[in-house]
Amino acid sequence: EVQLVESGGGLVQPGRSLRLSCAASGFTFDDYAMHWVRQAPGKGLEWVSGISWNSGSTGYADSVKGRFTISRDNAKNSLYLQMNSLRAEDTAFYYCAKGRITVVRGAQGYFDLWGRGTLVTVSS
Amino acid sequence: SYVLTQPPSVSVAPGKTARITCGGNNIGSKSVHWYQQKPGQAPVLVIYYDSDRPSGIPERFSGSNSGNTATLTISRVEAGDEADYYCQVWDSTSDHWVFGGGTKLTVL
Repeated sequence: EVQLVESGGGLVQPGRSLRLSCAASGFTFDDYAMHWVRQAPGKGLEWVSGISWNSGSTGYADSVKGRFTISRDNAKNSLYLQMNSLRAEDTAFYYCAKGRITVVRGAQGYFDLWGRGTLVTVSS
Repeated sequence: SYVLTQPPSVSVAPGKTARITCGGNNIGSKSVHWYQQKPGQAPVLVIYYDSDRPSGIPERFSGSNSGNTATLTISRVEAGDEADYYCQVWDSTSDHWVFGGGTKLTVL
């Protein structure tokens, strides 16, 4: 079955760190770029970060640049998001999404598969 | 950065046609993608490249894009179409993927 399954969410204090994981199955993982998209409770979608098929290129939203790091392990069919210096405004569902092509950038790279998400709550 | 503007809500009676707009500066020069998100579920791609439908998406879903407005059109609306809909573009200036604020479609 073609799917993405996120894990690693939870309650964390402001200023602390958290690492999210996304396990991919049912498709050739290293043929595609991958992305993280978040959604604050009751709010809209926000692209967080993307990584190319071979980790050669990454991109970040301005709101997380310098604090979050995206990575992938093609041997394990897994995507990661290391989140440091977390803030209350980072509270959201975090979705893993598959890009349509190998690279992060370009209109051809829309997101054709999404996971169910994992909730990150940043609060003291 | 590039801004996409969607109406917060659209209401339509069953069997009628719903039109959800996505406004942006010269958006007609970009490729627009649309996602459907039902409550408690992950988003699903319903339209890509302005007007193409992924396999499994009903023909009732269509899209257009010109000038400063892209439009998602849902014909013969059904109760099961009730969801939030988001438009998306790649903004080469900011080097970011951008989503619209989302539109809640209510089937009366």
